[in-house]
Amino acid sequence: EVQLVESGGELIQPGESLRLSCAASGITVTSSSMTWVRQAPGAGLEWVSVIYADGRTFYGDSVKGRFTISKDNSRNALVLQMDRLRVDDTAMYYCARLLTAPGTMGLDYWGQGTPVTVSS
Amino acid sequence: DIQMTQSPSSLSASVGDRVAITCRASQSIIKYLNWYQQKPGKAPTLLIYGASNLQRGVPSRFSGSGSATEFTLTINSLQPEDFATYYCQQTYSPPLTFGPGTKVDRK
Repeated sequence: EVQLVESGGELIQPGESLRLSCAASGITVTSSSMTWVRQAPGAGLEWVSVIYADGRTFYGDSVKGRFTISKDNSRNALVLQMDRLRVDDTAMYYCARLLTAPGTMGLDYWGQGTPVTVSS
Repeated sequence: DIQMTQSPSSLSASVGDRVAITCRASQSIIKYLNWYQQKPGKAPTLLIYGASNLQRGVPSRFSGSGSATEFTLTINSLQPEDFATYYCQQTYSPPLTFGPGTKVDRK
């Protein structure tokens, strides 16, 4: 059974940094493509970042230059380093595995989310 | 960047109804289009990937169609557990944008 468990979310002040982790079981993060998706209170889903199996990384415009996605191979985990946090980064943060199949890709496994609140 | 739109933004329906939600991409995404269901307080779940492939364990009343820039999610014979918000997402090219969502509630 595949499980993704996020951790690290908390109440934090604007301008500070936070590191989110997503511990995986049932899949090998090293050989998987993984994403972060967030959802502000009462809002829709916003894609944040992806790290493909080949190591390429991409970011949404709102987090580019402030967030860094990576893999912790020793812990079989996905990591999101968030710097220079802003009030509008407040959201539930989900990690998800990007299923890749010929001609298609979808987010097939999701964690339960970890809440990040940025407020003074 | 590829922009995604959905229509309608919300709809009211009854159990047993047939429901259709449309998703449009600002440029061709071939068939790199996925549909997700989200219930309040829960993570989204994948319903359809590759425009028309039913994810394992998803009931067959859900179906997807379309290609290029226009896609449709259809729910045949809406069930009580289907009242939720539905999102499309393109995975053709980063940023892997989501549509704004369609809330399906009880009439």
